[in-house]
Amino acid sequence: DAGVIQSPRHEVTEMGQEVTLRCKPISGHNSLFWYRQTMMRGLELLIYFNNNVPIDDSGMPEDRFSAKMPNASFSTLKIQPSEPRDSAVYFCASSLTGGSYEQYFGPGTRLTVT
Amino acid sequence: AQSVTQLDSHVSVSEGTPVLLRCNYSSSYSPSLFWYVQHPNKGLQLLLKYTSAATLVKGINGFEAEFKKSETSFHLTKPSAHMSDAAEYFCVVSDHFNKFYFGSGTKLNVKP
Repeated sequence: DAGVIQSPRHEVTEMGQEVTLRCKPISGHNSLFWYRQTMMRGLELLIYFNNNVPIDDSGMPEDRFSAKMPNASFSTLKIQPSEPRDSAVYFCASSLTGGSYEQYFGPGTRLTVT
Repeated sequence: AQSVTQLDSHVSVSEGTPVLLRCNYSSSYSPSLFWYVQHPNKGLQLLLKYTSAATLVKGINGFEAEFKKSETSFHLTKPSAHMSDAAEYFCVVSDHFNKFYFGSGTKLNVKP
């Protein structure tokens, strides 16, 4: 299995631009998670989906952030407009549903907003 | 409610000596617990997990952890540290919906 795939791996953009991060979960997994990691705040859960439906988006910082999961094999996290404080590493993870299952993490997207 | 406390933000050991990374958890019910490792500029990799089977859990790369309900602890150990173990380690507790609650992380430094 290829694992969780994220693209792009690195993104540099200017303040005010739209940014779209992409994630392909492991085939057969029905839960998908988006995280943000910064030095100041550590790992934060932004949103998670179960069977393509958003279950908990309480971690989404503000309306500039949105996430979609149109099918079981693809999800996007969009920031519009981007701001310098959005600079972070964004991770996608997937798992089977249930409390005893581990999450498998992608390699992350390092976002820099100038 | 679920929460995790990692008691040390930094641990430094010499190569070949034992490693102990401490984790205490809080859970409203019988927990599932995990340890993940993150090497610099990499994603998180599962080291081991506890899901109410054996209380001593063995993981990859010689790591193991012991679940102690009476102490609400899940400490990670390794008998002999290797330079390649230098990384950040996260203790995690999950809820019934597989939502993860991360500790703040422990950075392990291994000295030659």
